[in-house]
Amino acid sequence: QKEVEQNSGPLSVPEGAIASLNCTYSDRGSQSFFWYRQYSGKSPELIMSIYSNGDKEDGRFTAQLNKASQYVSLLIRDSQPSDSATYLCAVNPGYGNKLVFGAGTILRVKS
Amino acid sequence: DAMVIQNPRYQVTQFGKPVTLSCSQTLNHNVMYWYQQKSSQAPKLLFHYYDKDFNNEADTPDNFQSRRPNTSFCFLDIRSPGLGDAAMYLCATSRSPFKRGSSYEQYFGPGTRLTVT
Repeated sequence: QKEVEQNSGPLSVPEGAIASLNCTYSDRGSQSFFWYRQYSGKSPELIMSIYSNGDKEDGRFTAQLNKASQYVSLLIRDSQPSDSATYLCAVNPGYGNKLVFGAGTILRVKS
Repeated sequence: DAMVIQNPRYQVTQFGKPVTLSCSQTLNHNVMYWYQQKSSQAPKLLFHYYDKDFNNEADTPDNFQSRRPNTSFCFLDIRSPGLGDAAMYLCATSRSPFKRGSSYEQYFGPGTRLTVT
């Protein structure tokens, strides 16, 4: 069974702190990894993609990938109340054109 | 701006009454996907088109069908909606993968919220 697992949360952080969101996946053949942000009642919005081991930074967001540990994470620096949303981890399982999504982690940033 | 458009945004249908949801894109992507998402759950892939090649997920009920008449448009048909089909339906697009077993980013439309009465 191809699975992507995330802690459902909610993860609560104070404004200005670093939020750390984690995701593990089961298929060692996975090659493409994505983070989506989804506000309540809205559709997922792509915020980061990562394909190689290591870190990838884009503004306040950093994605980290460790294929040996089958682990991908998202760091949000200087968290803002507007970052409060559900964050979905998505993984291409190594075949086909499709993504397998985790159920998401709810992030709450308190002002 | 290039985008993925879904219509209608909200759809109410009666139990058993066929309904069609539409998706169009101006991104010129050759892969289009339909997902079902229920509250607090992950998006669940129903099927996708790679160009005109239809790919159904094994656990997608026969009640769900799809058509892609051209590159820009894709439709989701629910032949006999049940109460359990009430959900957000998401259309997404992507370019074809850069290598076997990989994936480019998928971009989602705003979704259609389906209510079944």
